[in-house]
Amino acid sequence: SQQGEEDPQALSIQEGENATMNCSYKTSINNLQWYRQNSGRGLVHLILIRSNEREKHSGRLRVTLDTSKKSSSLLITASRAADTASYFCATVRAGGYQKVTFGTGTKLQVIP
Amino acid sequence: SAVISQKPSRDICQRGTSLTIQCQVDSQVTMMFWYRQQPGQSLTLIATANQGSEATYESGFVIDKFPISRPNLTFSTLTVSNMSPEDSSIYLCSVDTGTRGPGELFFGEGSRLTVL
Repeated sequence: SQQGEEDPQALSIQEGENATMNCSYKTSINNLQWYRQNSGRGLVHLILIRSNEREKHSGRLRVTLDTSKKSSSLLITASRAADTASYFCATVRAGGYQKVTFGTGTKLQVIP
Repeated sequence: SAVISQKPSRDICQRGTSLTIQCQVDSQVTMMFWYRQQPGQSLTLIATANQGSEATYESGFVIDKFPISRPNLTFSTLTVSNMSPEDSSIYLCSVDTGTRGPGELFFGEGSRLTVL
């Protein structure tokens, strides 16, 4: 079953605006990751945040993790039309078998 | 990182037939995964294919329907057997190179199957 629920399901913004997506999960995790998928193609890994980290940056991406609330957010600053894609959070459970479980995804549209 | 090639990229199949998807990686990797993505949905793990052992299937997926081969550290196949329209999905091969942390996956471009 899916570990993460994402919110919103869909998001439409103007180019230059910031986009924020949220992910909630159910069990203790080793790490949480965000992936991007362009139009039904393969997924691209964006960023990984470990359970002992609270915030991480990569270029225009900022990820936060709140393990007490079992939630994470992905912020894309100064969005571009090329950021239009589906974004998925994914988790690796703490301990044992290192399976990656994907959330429901957020479909982002950036309007030029 | 890893570069993954999947074949076919798409296919249209008739009900009752079987199709084998190939996944080739440009480096040796231990852990390889097959995911299914039904239209408009998220990814669901079908099975983990580690070289030298039988594939481990997730709940709801069985070997008779989705046989997997993993003959070496750079190649795997997934067969979708006796297909029905419900099998219309994107099938994705992925690998964990283990370079930065458990579960950082690299994906192929996917194989989009349509079953008529």
